[in-house]
Amino acid sequence: EVQLVESGGDLVKPGGSLRLSCAASGFTFSTVWMSWVRQPPGKGLEWVGRIRSKAAGATADYAAPVKGRFTISRDDSTNTLYLQMNSLKTEDTAVYYCTTTFHSDSAGSNWGQGTLVTVSS
Amino acid sequence: EIALTQSPGTLSLSPGERATLSCRASQSVTSNYLAWYQQKPGQAPRLLIYAASRRASGIPDRFSGSGSGTDFTLTINRLEPEDFAMYYCQQFDNSVPTWTFGQGTKVEIK
Repeated sequence: EVQLVESGGDLVKPGGSLRLSCAASGFTFSTVWMSWVRQPPGKGLEWVGRIRSKAAGATADYAAPVKGRFTISRDDSTNTLYLQMNSLKTEDTAVYYCTTTFHSDSAGSNWGQGTLVTVSS
Repeated sequence: EIALTQSPGTLSLSPGERATLSCRASQSVTSNYLAWYQQKPGQAPRLLIYAASRRASGIPDRFSGSGSGTDFTLTINRLEPEDFAMYYCQQFDNSVPTWTFGQGTKVEIK
């Protein structure tokens, strides 16, 4: 059974940093492209970014609002996905989900339960 | 960037009725890379439909997707009590490459 478990969400001040983790199990993590999607409280879904598999170069793409501030990485030896968030803004407040992607990276097939990041002074 | 507009914002229906949800794109969606998700309060989204019309694994056949180009539809036949939820469409633009979500349609009990 595919399992994705996010952790690391917390209350942080504007300008601060935070690292989220997503522990994966139940599938061959190293071969799967992974994405982060966020959802501000009471609002809709917003794609944050993706990282390709090592075989595809392990490169990442980012949504415009987070580019230059967020970094996605992966550790295939521990089946863990990361989201390093720097220079956090109040508008980054959201539940952050990690997802597996499939069908040419066109959709998110499995989702974690999410972790809440609150950016507030 | 392709924008998605979902309508209606809220759909009020009774169990057993059919729900028809619309998702319109500002430009043609590449290769019909259009997905639909269901989300219930306090839960993560669940993939229902990908590639506009293919049901994801384990999704009941009362859920169906259709459409191409800029106009897409999610149909839920014979609404079950567990189907009352928020629904989002999402497109993948591989030229950018990004995901974009619609703002959602809430299906509520009438």
